[in-house]
Amino acid sequence: AQKVTQAQTEISVVEKEDVTLDCVYETRDTTYYLFWYKQPPSGELVFLIRRNSFDEQNEISGRYSWNFQKSTSSFNFTITASQVVDSAVYFCALDMNSGYSTLTFGKGTMLLVSP
Amino acid sequence: DAGVTQSPTHLIKTRGQQVTLRCSPKSGHDTVSWYQQALGQGPQFIFQYYEEEERQRGNFPDRFSGHQFPNYSSELNVNALLLGDSALYLCASSAGGGDYGYTFGSGTRLTVV
Repeated sequence: AQKVTQAQTEISVVEKEDVTLDCVYETRDTTYYLFWYKQPPSGELVFLIRRNSFDEQNEISGRYSWNFQKSTSSFNFTITASQVVDSAVYFCALDMNSGYSTLTFGKGTMLLVSP
Repeated sequence: DAGVTQSPTHLIKTRGQQVTLRCSPKSGHDTVSWYQQALGQGPQFIFQYYEEEERQRGNFPDRFSGHQFPNYSSELNVNALLLGDSALYLCASSAGGGDYGYTFGSGTRLTVV
């Protein structure tokens, strides 16, 4: 069985601070996909990134960056120079490469960015 | 290009009643998955429909059932509602069997009283 743990329930920062959201996953499979989603108050899940288990390169997209470390089963997400619009709940998710594409989510981390 | 559309947006039902939630997938998508998100929790997979058949199911009782129509739209039915069924129900669509390009709708907020 697979599991995703997001130990941080809520994080509060002041605008322009950097913030890292932690994600630890468990799986017995060697092939899998990891995701990060953002959920604003409107409710829909907004896709941020997908990473497959064979690609451990870190990725940067604007103010967002992701650090994938297979050795520690972690896929952490950093927002640089946070903004108020970054306030949302962020979910890490795991998808087994089973061909059926079903996601296992963590419990989420609520990020509050104050001005 | 419309994304995933879910209806209704909000719903209040009484314990024991039945409810039907609807989902129209993104144009070009043929696979629909349903998730239940309780307050303060991450979404949990209910089931997935592809080619009008339930392809995979999560750990949910038979009170939860679904259907997919030839136009790929889908319904989620919940019978004998319990207070614990109160949640945000999210629909996600994707294209093809192994495609990972999920698009989520804004969900239906179900409150059972």
